[in-house]
Amino acid sequence: QKEVEQNSGPLSVPEGAIASLNCTYSDRGSQSFFWYRQYSGKSPELIMSIYSNGDKEDGRFTAQLNKASQYVSLLIRDSQPSDSATYLCAPERGSARQLTFGSGTQLTVLP
Amino acid sequence: GAVVSQHPSWVICKSGTSVKIECRSLDFQATTMFWYRQFPKQSLMLMATSNEGSKATYEQGVEKDKFLINHASLTLSTLTVTSAHPEDSSFYICSARRAINEKLFFGSGTQLSVL
Repeated sequence: QKEVEQNSGPLSVPEGAIASLNCTYSDRGSQSFFWYRQYSGKSPELIMSIYSNGDKEDGRFTAQLNKASQYVSLLIRDSQPSDSATYLCAPERGSARQLTFGSGTQLTVLP
Repeated sequence: GAVVSQHPSWVICKSGTSVKIECRSLDFQATTMFWYRQFPKQSLMLMATSNEGSKATYEQGVEKDKFLINHASLTLSTLTVTSAHPEDSSFYICSARRAINEKLFFGSGTQLSVL
């Protein structure tokens, strides 16, 4: 079992729709979770962080965490073409609180 | 936000040569820096964790004698790929943070191509 698994892409949604990205993780000790967006050839940029069970909203983005199910998700409302990128789920782990990245879900928002 | 500068952005080298990549925290002191490698269409894989003044901790499967990491100061960490081969061609990314409970900042990455 991979440490971090994300729903296989690519995922295409029309402009204005909701994009749903899912992630499961294996380390029950992980307490902090991050979603990053990465454009091709660029380094990741932080979109959301979540630490507690439930929902966390920031603008068009909502992160959801369920530690019992070891599941974290990201919803993007009113998707825009500029949201087209690869989204990486990254739980923290270990004493140094390293990030373990999932393989990413490539999202394409069609105009 | 804090800035992490990574140089060079891209480098092409001949097989067998060594390449050094620098990662600098420009406006904060980074107690910890991380080095990642990313192959095309794949995710970031952590190579090593680097703490200032101490030896880096390498992830399983990463050759410490091939990927030399030096974190000599609170603002600079270097990754040297020794005797590079074509299979080392990859996107290398560093990240840094001031303290364990603070945000992580990423460098812009270095695309290494070994001919």
